Amino acid sequence: GENVEQHPSTLSVQEGDSAVIKCTYSDSASNYFPWYKQELGKRPQLIIDIRSNVGEKKDQRIAVTLNKTAKHFSLHITETQPEDSAVYFCAASINSGGSNYKLTFGKGTLLTVNP
Amino acid sequence: GAGVSQSPRYKVTKRGQDVALRCDPISGHVSLYWYRQALGQGPEFLTYFNYEAQQDKSGLPNDRFSAERPEGSISTLTIQRTEQRDSAMYRCASSSGWDTQYFGPGTRLTVL
Repeated sequence: GENVEQHPSTLSVQEGDSAVIKCTYSDSASNYFPWYKQELGKRPQLIIDIRSNVGEKKDQRIAVTLNKTAKHFSLHITETQPEDSAVYFCAASINSGGSNYKLTFGKGTLLTVNP
Repeated sequence: GAGVSQSPRYKVTKRGQDVALRCDPISGHVSLYWYRQALGQGPEFLTYFNYEAQQDKSGLPNDRFSAERPEGSISTLTIQRTEQRDSAMYRCASSSGWDTQYFGPGTRLTVL
């Protein structure tokens, strides 16, 4: 089955700096890669996703890049703010027949943005 | 509109008891997923439904765990003869198919 590795497990940055979180996946058939943000005691919430026919996607301060050959994808947050502090999870799944399949998650990255 | 809801939000039970966890997906979402999330870890897949059909139950840990979605809407995850190792956050998610999975608030299960 799919295996997703996520690094680093913790990341501390100064407000205004950039943060990068990296993930690798094992199943070359995976074609959907979402990123979720989970604040303490809250549910995971999607912040951005990318499909395998796209190499990069950007939404304001957040961007995701995908390298299918290397089976590697990354989350980039620019101009970090204290409210970006949370646990971030990457995930991978196979979307087939018009239906989104189960997500396999990484172990998460605790991001702390220091004011 | 209303998001995914789950009940109860907290469940404390004694070892050996059966528990039923409920998930109410976003209206119109055909796909429903159950995950289990240990503290400090990412959600781990348990089972998945398209409409009322259980498409994959490969993540269910053992035969004490079962799930149903009889009318293609509300789903129930049942754990029989609970054990302490079953203690975790159980999360439900729903999607309209080729789309985002939206997570519910979870049910925190504690088995004493």
